[in-house]
Amino acid sequence: NAGVTQTPKFQVLKTGQSMTLQCAQDMNHEYMSWYRQDPGMGLRLIHYSVGAGITDQGEVPNGYNVSRSTTEDFPLRLLSAAPSQTSVYFCASSRRRLAGVGDTQYFGPGTRLTVL
Amino acid sequence: GNSVTQMEGPVTLSEEAFLTINCTYTATGYPSLFWYVQYPGEGLQLLLKATKADDKGSNKGFEATYRKETTSFHLEKGSVQVSDSAVYFCALSPPPTGANNLFFGTGTRLTVIP
Repeated sequence: NAGVTQTPKFQVLKTGQSMTLQCAQDMNHEYMSWYRQDPGMGLRLIHYSVGAGITDQGEVPNGYNVSRSTTEDFPLRLLSAAPSQTSVYFCASSRRRLAGVGDTQYFGPGTRLTVL
Repeated sequence: GNSVTQMEGPVTLSEEAFLTINCTYTATGYPSLFWYVQYPGEGLQLLLKATKADDKGSNKGFEATYRKETTSFHLEKGSVQVSDSAVYFCALSPPPTGANNLFFGTGTRLTVIP
């Protein structure tokens, strides 16, 4: 199993450009999510999905878009990049929460994005 | 709302020293609690978890006990090694069922020196 994979590893954008961060998992997990990691702020949830065709917003969704057409893939789109979106982005996946118990999440290696 | 407050770092310890990283939480309902670790240049990986009050999670010599009365989940290890140098995140996953969203603390960087 490759687990959770993310591409690219590094990206530099200019303000106003758009791009898509790719995320894929091969564990047949229903739940997938995107987090951003900023210094001194831990990780914050951007968007998540509990299954194909179902997405919802997290804590910091503005400026980002997601879709989930397959169980395996969960791309994150930056519509018009801004310097405030400079961050490290992590994708994660897990089984759906069952019986009120949180399940282990598996994280990808991250994408370091710089917006100039 | 849901939030996690974690001990500020960085923490520097000598090898074989005792480690405690404090974590307290605020949550609605009965959350599940986690410690994740991030080694340099890598993504996060689960270190241990506890899903109900008084549960003790343990892994690789690390332990944490879910204390509902004090809303705490402090991480401890009796004797740290250089290989434990990493950033440690406390996190909670609140109800409802279905979603498995995590709320993270700010992270504590641990450096262990020989």
